[in-house]
Amino acid sequence: GDSVTQMEGPVTLSEEAFLTINCTYTATGYPSLFWYVQYPGEGLQLLLKATKADDKGSNKGFEATYRKETTSFHLEKGSVQVSDSAVYFCALEDGGSQGNLIFGKGTKLSVKP
Amino acid sequence: NAGVTQTPKFQVLKTGQSMTLQCAQDMNHEYMSWYRQDPGMGLRLIHYSVGAGITDQGEVPNGYNVSRSTTEDFPLRLLSAAPSQTSVYFCASSYSPAGRALNEQFFGPGTRLTVL
Repeated sequence: GDSVTQMEGPVTLSEEAFLTINCTYTATGYPSLFWYVQYPGEGLQLLLKATKADDKGSNKGFEATYRKETTSFHLEKGSVQVSDSAVYFCALEDGGSQGNLIFGKGTKLSVKP
Repeated sequence: NAGVTQTPKFQVLKTGQSMTLQCAQDMNHEYMSWYRQDPGMGLRLIHYSVGAGITDQGEVPNGYNVSRSTTEDFPLRLLSAAPSQTSVYFCASSYSPAGRALNEQFFGPGTRLTVL
């Protein structure tokens, strides 16, 4: 079945460092792809999304490009801030059900001042 | 708008007890879902509903029941709690299935459940 694999965490960076969180997927067809963020003590929030190959989703300085050839959707940010400390989840549309989401296991990011 | 609300925030149960986790949304969303979040496992779908009167099973439905009598409410029932159900539970809603129609899925703040 469809699945999402994220890089293991936790990831610890200094403020203003470059961030990459890897995400690859296995799916039939070309599902929509998402990144969600969970701040401490809160529910998940949609960070960005992409609907087709070569689409780039972006929000709050974060970017991810839908790469069909490598089945990847890596999350990047050029300069992280302490306020970016959170857990990041990659997700894809489950083509076998009614549009539900399949989530990766999450990557915890800690940014130190 | 209050968005997606969940009650209670915390709950401790003994093995074999039953309880209902409440979820409500005031955004007139047709699609609602329940997830559980466990360390190292990400979020796993328990049950979902595409509208009032319609529910279906997700990836991990065993031990849980749901009903959807109104658009606003989607309670999750634990029939006989087991320690394996210790988890954080999130309710979510969107205008239509989050992946299919690309509408943002809104999450509640979660219920942290411990089963002793």
